[in-house]
Amino acid sequence: DAGVIQSPRHEVTEMGQEVTLRCKPISGHNSLFWYRQTMMRGLELLIYFNNNVPIDDSGMPEDRFSAKMPNASFSTLKIQPSEPRDSAVYFCASSGQGKGLLSYEQYFGPGTRLTVT
Amino acid sequence: QQQVKQSPQSLIVQKGGISIINCAYENTAFDYFPWYQQFPGKGPALLIAIRPDVSEKKEGRFTISFNKSAKQFSLHIMDSQPGDSATYFCAASIDSGGYQKVTFGIGTKLQVIP
Repeated sequence: DAGVIQSPRHEVTEMGQEVTLRCKPISGHNSLFWYRQTMMRGLELLIYFNNNVPIDDSGMPEDRFSAKMPNASFSTLKIQPSEPRDSAVYFCASSGQGKGLLSYEQYFGPGTRLTVT
Repeated sequence: QQQVKQSPQSLIVQKGGISIINCAYENTAFDYFPWYQQFPGKGPALLIAIRPDVSEKKEGRFTISFNKSAKQFSLHIMDSQPGDSATYFCAASIDSGGYQKVTFGIGTKLQVIP
């Protein structure tokens, strides 16, 4: 099992540029989450997909952020235009359809460290 | 609004000692309390979890103590080892329209020194 795969692992871009982060969830998992991690705010949920449909996007900071899940094995998080305050580590996580507590565990990818200069 | 408050933010423990991390929550609707462990350059990974109807759960050297009336829970790491050095996140989750919406604490960076 390859686990959750994210790319790129590191991204450095200039303010105003478009940034696209990619995620491949664990095969068979039907829930996908995007998180942002910063020193000041910790881990924050940005958006949650279930069966490829966005269910909860209340954590998306503003219209510059958008996320898509065109199929069960791929999701993107796009920031356009990027700003220095977007610098953070972005994690993708997925969870399955196990019974009871088995469905609660989220498996995190290695993260993408984004630096906007 | 910080729904899950975690302390301390950093902790240094001698090898063989006990590491204790504390968390408090406000929302009594939370129904699942996991702890995640994160090593540098990696994503968080589930370490141990507890439901609010249980006061204690132990897995190896890791124990969660849960006080429902005080709305507090803590992680105890017995016989702490240098390999336990990592950031630990407490969390609380609630069923939110068919999925478990997880709120994380700010994290505790643990360093176990030989």
